[in-house]
Amino acid sequence: QQQVRQSPQSLTVWEGETAILNCSYEDSTFNYFPWYQQFPGEGPALLISIRSVSDKKEDGRFTIFFNKREKKLSLHITDSQPGDSATYFCAASLNTGNYKYVFGAGTRLKVIA
Amino acid sequence: DMKVTQMPRYLIKRMGENVLLECGQDMSHETMYWYRQDPGLGLQLIYISYDVDSNSEGDIPKGYRVSRKKREHFSLILDSAKTNQTSVYFCASSRDWGEQYFGPGTRLTVL
Repeated sequence: QQQVRQSPQSLTVWEGETAILNCSYEDSTFNYFPWYQQFPGEGPALLISIRSVSDKKEDGRFTIFFNKREKKLSLHITDSQPGDSATYFCAASLNTGNYKYVFGAGTRLKVIA
Repeated sequence: DMKVTQMPRYLIKRMGENVLLECGQDMSHETMYWYRQDPGLGLQLIYISYDVDSNSEGDIPKGYRVSRKKREHFSLILDSAKTNQTSVYFCASSRDWGEQYFGPGTRLTVL
């Protein structure tokens, strides 16, 4: 079963626009949500993360909005740049105990100059 | 320099052959992971290792086994590889439940 779902599968935006990537999860005990960025031919790298006690986390042009009640979160990339073109994975974990992440299938973002 | 390395980067094997994928890290992380990545499925956890000789099955362990004899080294073994094990394999490491650092991946093709 897919415990973490991402939408859309792919997204194209113009340079300077805001890209919005969505993520939802099923297990209400998840309390830590990292987002990973992956460029072709490379391994994923942590971009930004949020804990369930917060509803927003900002890091430069990247912001996570978190809605615990609806079990949804979104990654907003403002002033998108061609260098942001990558696949973005949302993950969820319990942040304690077994250290396991559950990853979504990813959103492929393309930013056109 | 924090780094996870994987060898080889590319591998082609025939069905029924044995496969050994190697992973190393220089961060003294206790926890290491093996994932496979397939289009449309994201990253699926195969095995997790909490330290030397302390390994636990992930979500898709069937057809795989692992070995961790040194903290900095974690191996994934496919005994008698199958065509459906064609995939990109990623190793990762972390300190406890902290950030997972990923290697560059191994692209395995089983013919």
